[in-house]
Formats: sequence, structure tokens, C-alpha cells
Amino acid sequence: SQTIHQWPATLVQPVGSPLSLECTVEGTSNPNLYWYRQAAGRGLQLLFYSVGIGQISSEVPQNLSASRPQDRQFILSSKKLLLSDSGFYLCAWELRRGANVLTFGAGSRLTVL
Amino acid sequence: GDSVTQMEGPVTLSEEAFLTINCTYTATGYPSLFWYVQYPGEGLQLLLKATKADDKGSNKGFEATYRKETTSFHLEKGSVQVSDSAVYFCALSDTGNQFYFGTGTSLTVIP
Repeated sequence: SQTIHQWPATLVQPVGSPLSLECTVEGTSNPNLYWYRQAAGRGLQLLFYSVGIGQISSEVPQNLSASRPQDRQFILSSKKLLLSDSGFYLCAWELRRGANVLTFGAGSRLTVL
Repeated sequence: GDSVTQMEGPVTLSEEAFLTINCTYTATGYPSLFWYVQYPGEGLQLLLKATKADDKGSNKGFEATYRKETTSFHLEKGSVQVSDSAVYFCALSDTGNQFYFGTGTSLTVIP
């Protein structure tokens, strides 16, 4: 069966520090991968999506970046965090062909102080 | 562009009350429509979906019908339980594998 793992689950970081959130998918190959952010009291904002290794599309300009070094690994990074980066970050995957359903990880809660 | 609009919350209901959460969409093509549920501190889980007009998605007593004429996909449940307390998201997916989510509606069911 397919599973998706995100870590760390919780992170508290000072302003200006770097960030790395990791997401891995098991039990499938060649998935579409997504990073969403959920700010307090708001809906989901699509940050990045990837259709393959090294292929990243950015939806919102910001100080975050994403990378996909392996087929089933998706990393969200920042060189210098801002207060406004605080939120709940969700990784999701979709089967490449026709499943048309997103499956989400458990999320990573980031607090920037 | 494509978008989803859902009713704002929070919604508070007594146990066994009837639930409706409204959702309307804007899309240029023929999207698939979804309801996701997020329990406290967790990621989103797919609750139900419909892929074409007049389809009815259902799961765990929840239902939603894809209405092309009114561009709506309202979520309903006849009798809510305390365990249904969560945030509900309406979403659509277009042919480009893009997913658009509403802002979420928080539901609290009190005993």
C-alpha cells in the first residue's frame, strides 16, 4: 500500500534560520508531488508541485524553495525564515495517471519566532 | 481561473442535527470535485468525490451532488456526531492536475 511520510512533525525556528522539511512516498512510482501551506485560520495555499525528478513548478513567489532529488522524495527549504513562514505545511501525492485524488501527509507545523 | 468558494464558519451544531456546508466552484472545463476533512492536528483526508455532473459522492453518511447547472457541490449529512467535528475543505481538480481548495469550514458538534 502507498504511504506518505513527512518530518519533522513539529518545528520551532528563529527568524533568519534555515528550513528543511522532507516528504517521502512509499509504494508508488512516478507520482505528482505537492507542497501546500495552511496558515492559521486560512485555507490551503499551493506552494510547489512536481511532475518528476528535478521538475518543480512554483505557484507563489516567496523565500521558500523546493527540490525533488529522487522520484519519491520532495523537500521544502528556506535559507532564511520569516515570521510569516509560520504555518502548517502539507505534502501530498497523486498517482500520475488518472487517479485524480490527492493523498496528504500528516503535516509539519512550523513556528517561526 | 479555476476557484472554489465555500461557506465561512465556524459552524456549531448539536448532535443529530442536519448539516449543510455550501460549496460553489468556477472552472473553465469539467473538473472533478472533492470534499476533504481535516481532524485536529492532522493532514487532510479524502471524504468523498464526484467526477462528472449529477454524480453523487458519499462516505460515512456524508453526501454531495455535482450540480453543473448551479456549479455547486454542497456537503450534507442527516445526523452529525461529535466525532464529525473537523475542518471541511471543498476542492476541485482540473485536467492539468492542479487542485484548488476552498478556505475550509470548521464544524463543531456539541453533545
